[in-house]
Amino acid sequence: NAGVTQTPKFRVLKTGQSMTLLCAQDMNHEYMYWYRQDPGMGLRLIHYSVGEGTTAKGEVPDGYNVSRLKKQNFLLGLESAAPSQTSVYFCASSFWGPPDSNQPQHFGDGTRLSIL
Amino acid sequence: TQLLEQSPQFLSIQEGENLTVYCNSSSVFSSLQWYRQEPGEGPVLLVTVVTGGEVKKLKRLTFQFGDARKDSSLHITAAQPGDTGLYLCAGFHNAGNMLTFGGGTRLMVKP
Repeated sequence: NAGVTQTPKFRVLKTGQSMTLLCAQDMNHEYMYWYRQDPGMGLRLIHYSVGEGTTAKGEVPDGYNVSRLKKQNFLLGLESAAPSQTSVYFCASSFWGPPDSNQPQHFGDGTRLSIL
Repeated sequence: TQLLEQSPQFLSIQEGENLTVYCNSSSVFSSLQWYRQEPGEGPVLLVTVVTGGEVKKLKRLTFQFGDARKDSSLHITAAQPGDTGLYLCAGFHNAGNMLTFGGGTRLMVKP
């Protein structure tokens, strides 16, 4: 029972490089989310998806793009990495989303990304 | 400016002590969740509170949602080293479509 799996776990990039973070869930969840976590700031929502083929902007979407071609996968892309994007990135999924606000979000173990 | 303010940011106590962590906002939330996160892992849901004034207990942890649904507290009785971690509160607004997280309280319980 894998739950939410994120790859890679660690990555170091140079400014201007691009990369894609992969999130996979095996719980048949409709909703998927990408967050970034910075010290003292909790988790901030970057983008989310309410179902296969859909994406929407969260609180801090600039500099990131996402795709949800398959229900189980949610990809986060950085087209031109900047030092300000150094962070720990978490993917999460839930069976349903708002307004069913009792749904828990299931998180992966994170990707630690450093931009030099 | 964060919509959810958690206090304290850091807390270091001895095993057996009691503690309370607070989550405050000027906004009303339709529900509020508490998560615990351990190093190198993602947050894990502890509880969801929905009704103003609601109190939920999870073993030695007691969660309360404020009457006006603007604040919440987490009380731990007789803390143990296994309680060490980052505690995050997160709330849904009535008209929102996103879960808003507080900055977290990092708790260390020393044996």
